[in-house]
Amino acid sequence: AQSVAQPEDQVNVAEGNPLTVKCTYSVSGNPYLFWYVQYPNRGLQFLLKYITGDNLVKGSYGFEAEFNKSQTSFHLKKPSALVSDSALYFCAVRAPTSGTYKYIFGTGTRLKVLA
Amino acid sequence: DVKVTQSSRYLVKRTGEKVFLECVQDMDHENMFWYRQDPGLGLRLIYFSYDVKMKEKGDIPEGYSVSREKKERFSLILESASTNQTSMYLCASSASPFGQGTRLTVV
Repeated sequence: AQSVAQPEDQVNVAEGNPLTVKCTYSVSGNPYLFWYVQYPNRGLQFLLKYITGDNLVKGSYGFEAEFNKSQTSFHLKKPSALVSDSALYFCAVRAPTSGTYKYIFGTGTRLKVLA
Repeated sequence: DVKVTQSSRYLVKRTGEKVFLECVQDMDHENMFWYRQDPGLGLRLIYFSYDVKMKEKGDIPEGYSVSREKKERFSLILESASTNQTSMYLCASSASPFGQGTRLTVV
């Protein structure tokens, strides 16, 4: 079955420290992978995506993610966390179905950056 | 600035009412999606559409239907609202962007 897993419900990190939000996936074929961020009472905002090419993808707000095919992972990272990064983060994969595509989302990871 | 617009931010409806949630995109995307978001469950796909008048069931279509008469508009319909459909509903056009969400409360 095609799926996305975000194993941590919450991640706490001190401001200025590096942060990692984990994501693993299971999908047939070559995956398209995405990260989104959601602030309170808002829709999802796109951060970055991996389709092909360089395994390290850079996105908005200083975030980056590394595609690891052997570990089927796509972890989100930032070298130095800001308090304003505190939000809910979703990983997603585009999966083929019935000749077209749908997007499968993880359950989300709440990031808290502590001042 | 490209965007997806959902017609309402907040809605309160009574059990048994027919509810329409509207979503409009201005990017000429073929694919549009409706999700519901619940704590601990993430985003679950209700329905999606890959072209005008074309639709496909997502993971949780029961109790919902959709309409896509024009490319830019994708409507989610709750035929007879129930309290377990109280949720945040999010519309998306392709992989991005998402609408701002509609928080629906069924009482």
